[in-house]
Amino acid sequence: GQNIDQPTEMTATEGAIVQINCTYQTSGFNGLFWYQQHAGEAPTFLSYNVLDGLEEKGRFSSFLSRSKGYSYLLLKELQMKDSASYLCAVRDSNYQLIWGAGTKLIIKP
Amino acid sequence: NAGVTQTPKFRVLKTGQSMTLLCAQDMNHEYMYWYRQDPGMGLRLIHYSVGEGTTAKGEVPDGYNVSRLKKQNFLLGLESAAPSQTSVYFCASGERDTGELFFGEGSRLTVL
Repeated sequence: GQNIDQPTEMTATEGAIVQINCTYQTSGFNGLFWYQQHAGEAPTFLSYNVLDGLEEKGRFSSFLSRSKGYSYLLLKELQMKDSASYLCAVRDSNYQLIWGAGTKLIIKP
Repeated sequence: NAGVTQTPKFRVLKTGQSMTLLCAQDMNHEYMYWYRQDPGMGLRLIHYSVGEGTTAKGEVPDGYNVSRLKKQNFLLGLESAAPSQTSVYFCASGERDTGELFFGEGSRLTVL
């Protein structure tokens, strides 16, 4: 079966760095996505990885290892507005997105 | 820019009632999707469409029907609502090659 695992909840301090992990087992792989979802709002796109390595976009970076079925989202210089859920999703062989349950990130001052 | 618009945003139904959720996008996307999101679970795909006049079943299609008569609109229907269909419903659109999805604000449905 297809499965995506990520921690349910994480807590970090304002100004610090946090790494959110995602492991996956899917039928085929055509890219991995990270989305951010604030409470009561729609998910919004953060990053996309299809090749191994690190993609950096401002304070956010995303890493992928296809051989290990593993990705992480790295958030630097945390701000209170980064408090949200972070969703990992993998596009399978049918080009459909398989979603993890999301990691709720709590930022403390 | 409107992007993806869903109506209604909130609705309370009684068991057995029917309703339709409307999704409209102004980005000329070919692909449109209906998801439901429940606490502790990932987004689950109900139905999707790869172009005007086409629809396909997703992971949890039972109890729902869809139509895509116009490229910009994707309708989700509940013929006989059940309490298990209480959820937040998200519509999304995008293109196959990029994979990035654009979501509507969500529709919160409660079935009593």
